[in-house]
Amino acid sequence: EVQLVESGGGLVQPGGSLRLSCAASAFTFSSYWMHWVRQAPGKGLVWVSRINSDGSKTSYADSVKGRFTISRDNAKNTLYLQMNSLRAEDTAVYYCARDLVYNSGWSYDTFDIWGQGTMVTVSS
Amino acid sequence: DIVMTQSPDSLAVSLGERATINCKSSQSVLYSSNNKNYLAWFQQKPGQPPKLLIYWASTRESGVPDRFSGSGSGTDFTLTISSLQAEDVAVYYCQQFYRTPSTFGQGTKLEIK
Repeated sequence: EVQLVESGGGLVQPGGSLRLSCAASAFTFSSYWMHWVRQAPGKGLVWVSRINSDGSKTSYADSVKGRFTISRDNAKNTLYLQMNSLRAEDTAVYYCARDLVYNSGWSYDTFDIWGQGTMVTVSS
Repeated sequence: DIVMTQSPDSLAVSLGERATINCKSSQSVLYSSNNKNYLAWFQQKPGQPPKLLIYWASTRESGVPDRFSGSGSGTDFTLTISSLQAEDVAVYYCQQFYRTPSTFGQGTKLEIK
């Protein structure tokens, strides 16, 4: 079964750091753009970041640019999100998601497979 | 950023009846070179991640029941559930993927009347 499993969430103080991981299975991870999308409690969905299949191209929402870094390890079938200088407004469930199209040179920026999410709470 | 606005915010429909959710984008999401609308619909049930239902405005994702359909072009789109089932209770989101950052509507909560 095609699957994405996030981990690494938790409670962190404002200004702190956290690294999220997303383990992929049952598909050719190295052939897909991958994304992070977040959802604050009781709120809607917000795209956070994306990375191309070989990790050479990244993009970020303005709200996280300069603070978050997306990366991937195709040998481990794992996607990462390094989050620094965390703020209360970063509190959310963070989902990793697979881009729609296999082996594409560009991102379609819509998502056919989602993980279950990992909760990040930024609070003192 | 492209702003996506859904209506209504919530909707109660009787079992077996039709449910219609609207989505409007602040600018056209129709890409003229391929005549595709870069618009998707997602379903999110409580405690679950979103599930892709429809992309290119009207292409149903594999495994999605055919009671779900999408229509519209340019800036105005509709998700229709032809005969509401109990398992369709969820929040529905539209999303434009025409321009980075991709953006979602605020969501429409669908309940049983």
